Amino acid sequence: GQNIDQPTEMTATEGAIVQINCTYQTSGFNGLFWYQQHAGEAPTFLSYNVLDGLEEKGRFSSFLSRSKGYSYLLLKELQMKDSASYLCAVRNTDKLIFGTGTRLQVFP
Amino acid sequence: SQTIHQWPATLVQPVGSPLSLECTVEGTSNPNLYWYRQAAGRGLQLLFYSVGIGQISSEVPQNLSASRPQDRQFILSSKKLLLSDSGFYLCAWGLTGGVSSQPQHFGDGTRLSIL
Repeated sequence: GQNIDQPTEMTATEGAIVQINCTYQTSGFNGLFWYQQHAGEAPTFLSYNVLDGLEEKGRFSSFLSRSKGYSYLLLKELQMKDSASYLCAVRNTDKLIFGTGTRLQVFP
Repeated sequence: SQTIHQWPATLVQPVGSPLSLECTVEGTSNPNLYWYRQAAGRGLQLLFYSVGIGQISSEVPQNLSASRPQDRQFILSSKKLLLSDSGFYLCAWGLTGGVSSQPQHFGDGTRLSIL
């Protein structure tokens, strides 16, 4: 079966660092994506990992361990506009399998 | 650059009525096309995807159908809507040919409410 798990909700303070975890068990793996989705809007692409290790992109970083079926998204210097849902998705051939998403609330 | 258009943005329909949602992509040829549904507070569920004209794969059994009459046009339809069809419908496109690092790109979505 296909299973992707993320925490449902997280809270953090403006200026802090937050780590959103994602674990997966899928029949195939061609990479892992993180998307950001503000309420009522479409998801937008944040990052992609296919090899083990850390990918850094400005305030956002994403880590992958294929042997552990584990990824995390790290958000630094949090801003109020970072309040959104963060979706983890595993690529399996031409398809993406999404987790249920983590709703992050950033407080002043 | 590539763009994806999806309409309408919101739709309110009575139970039992038909549905047609349309999605078009510009700036690329032979894209993979996808329809997703997102229930309130939930993740994205893949409904259909297409790798070419007339080629449709269905991921979940339901009373919805999809068609791809042209290379860059993807239509989601239903003959009779159910209450459970309410949700946020998203169209997406991606590159074909196993370009794994390329993400899927989403349209702005259609919020469908069934009364």
